[in-house]
Amino acid sequence: DTEVTQTPKHLVMGMTNKKSLKCEQHMGHRAMYWYKQKAKKPPELMFVYSYEKLSINESVPSRFSPECPNSSLLNLHLHALQPEDSALYLCASSQDSQGNYGYTFGSGTRLTVV
Amino acid sequence: DQQVKQNSPSLSVQEGRISILNCDYTNSMFDYFLWYKKYPAEGPTFLISISSIKDKNEDGRFTVFLNKSAKHLSLHIVPSQPGDSAVYFCAATVQGAQKLVFGQGTRLTINP
Repeated sequence: DTEVTQTPKHLVMGMTNKKSLKCEQHMGHRAMYWYKQKAKKPPELMFVYSYEKLSINESVPSRFSPECPNSSLLNLHLHALQPEDSALYLCASSQDSQGNYGYTFGSGTRLTVV
Repeated sequence: DQQVKQNSPSLSVQEGRISILNCDYTNSMFDYFLWYKKYPAEGPTFLISISSIKDKNEDGRFTVFLNKSAKHLSLHIVPSQPGDSAVYFCAATVQGAQKLVFGQGTRLTINP
């Protein structure tokens, strides 16, 4: 298995809803990442987990809450989002915590906040 | 402050010819560079990388060149194929920093 799987692929949520994005990899990668990509913009880093511990939070608002239940899973809990949070959310993993050998990205969850 | 820049939003190349995608960076601390390819509705796919200790890395039809003094790298695709049509992102990192910084992307279109 050489993939990063993200679910759901599409999500529409209201500003008062609570939802979660899920990410899974079975490549034995020890670092996992959440990126956010707005239309016609490059992906921007949100969070990094290394060996299941949060190692980087790029000053992301608290309405985004990451969780790493185990080495294969990464969740992003969403609560009280704003319409400007609508974007493609990408999960990635890398073999080691330095990101060597490249990062493997999932297909993303396209989130629309209404 | 855009630390990684891809100044060409789009590029159109004839099938069979060479495609050259360019990328500039401003942070002299970057020591590892990657190219990703992205199709619509998919995540970026890793193509090729280069460490700052090298000036060239080749993998099949893809070659990345790094000019550290100019803070410039380029991706050459030879020969270009229709399946190469996609958005190409240049990315840079400081090894150990766990953070990739992406350029804005270049949309490559290969014409038959």
